[in-house]
Amino acid sequence: NAGVTQTPKFQVLKTGQSMTLQCAQDMNHNSMYWYRQDPGMGLRLIYYSASEGTTDKGEVPNGYNVSRLNKREFSLRLESAAPSQTSVYFCASNSGTGVQPQHFGDGTRLSIL
Amino acid sequence: AQKITQTQPGMFVQEKEAVTLDCTYDTSDPSYGLFWYKQPSSGEMIFLIYQGSYDQQNATEGRYSLNFQKARKSANLVISASQLGDSAMYFCAMTSGYALNFGKGTSLLVTP
Repeated sequence: NAGVTQTPKFQVLKTGQSMTLQCAQDMNHNSMYWYRQDPGMGLRLIYYSASEGTTDKGEVPNGYNVSRLNKREFSLRLESAAPSQTSVYFCASNSGTGVQPQHFGDGTRLSIL
Repeated sequence: AQKITQTQPGMFVQEKEAVTLDCTYDTSDPSYGLFWYKQPSSGEMIFLIYQGSYDQQNATEGRYSLNFQKARKSANLVISASQLGDSAMYFCAMTSGYALNFGKGTSLLVTP
């Protein structure tokens, strides 16, 4: 039972480099989300996709772009990484109907030097 | 805007005892959901329990129960018969639509 799968699990980048975090879910969920977690904080929403073909900004979208590739996959791109983007990134999904629990991937630990 | 407050940065409990983790919230939305997640030291976010704002009964899931007091805007997590494996960060969260808004978490340490 894979659930939500994130790749990579760890990544180190230099300032200015770009990269894409991948997320896939196998639960046939409509909605997908990207969060970041900084030390001593709860998670904060970066972007979400309520359904295939739509994306919307969350609380902290600056410096990121997203693509809902299909119903299963939702990617997060850092075009020009900055040290302030050092964080743990979580992808989540849920059915999107009503108020439903979100199910999370294991996270990607990203360090920007 | 929604706000979640967890006032206990850290808690200790002895094995087999019950523990209550506090969560208060603020929202003007009439319909919302309240959630608790567990984050062990390995880092994953594990969904524990959910309460809808219109639910009459408090939610229970095994050893977890949610003490929902709507008038006080509180949604405390009660863990009965604590186990060593319950040691983790616990996050309260709420939503009225898509985004989950999280508190800063409570670190729980279960001692033998």
